[in-house]
Amino acid sequence: GAVVSQHPSRVICKSGTSVKIECRSLDFQATTMFWYRQFPKQSLMLMATSNEGSKATYEQGVEKDKFLINHASLTLSTLTVTSAHPEDSSFYICSARATSGGGNGELFFGEGSRLTVL
Amino acid sequence: QQQVKQSPQSLIVQKGGISIINCAYENTAFDYFPWYQQFPGKGPALLIAIRPDVSEKKEGRFTISFNKSAKQFSLHIMDSQPGDSATYFCAAYTHTGGFKTIFGAGTRLFVKA
Repeated sequence: GAVVSQHPSRVICKSGTSVKIECRSLDFQATTMFWYRQFPKQSLMLMATSNEGSKATYEQGVEKDKFLINHASLTLSTLTVTSAHPEDSSFYICSARATSGGGNGELFFGEGSRLTVL
Repeated sequence: QQQVKQSPQSLIVQKGGISIINCAYENTAFDYFPWYQQFPGKGPALLIAIRPDVSEKKEGRFTISFNKSAKQFSLHIMDSQPGDSATYFCAAYTHTGGFKTIFGAGTRLFVKA
């Protein structure tokens, strides 16, 4: 299947700092990427839809100024957690949908990034 | 109406047994139903998926059964193995809805050796 690379896999930062997480589609182009947040033993919560070349669409209750999303190319989307606080600690997962070759538009997920804010 | 309800929350199955996970949905606009498998600390991986015009799809030991009239679908894992121990998520989306995927709450499966 298609490969989505997410980096870093783990990050620890001090409260008040900003953290950037990258999501890359390695072998396909993705006009749309999605960012999820997952708390322990819970399901994936969609945070935002990232569209290449345009502003991200945020889900209700997600602070767009806190979670900055940039989708500058067809293979890269970034999530920046600004002024991180301990309550932002979570597992963040990106996914991408292949846009070429038709198909069902399956989502391919990155390996996730574990953010710990001290 | 956007919810996908999944049960059970957790499941313990003996090695070689059949694991069954059920999901139900309300939104009849959903037109694709994937299942994802997630191991601890990893991202979800697509396991198998089905369209609503098909009643059953089988891939190896994994089978999806789909009941369109009841708006229910289920995952059957035949000959369950300890390596199948993971969290399984059912999901649904519409091609016309921007492929925004709605996930079930997840089922933690433990297969006893």
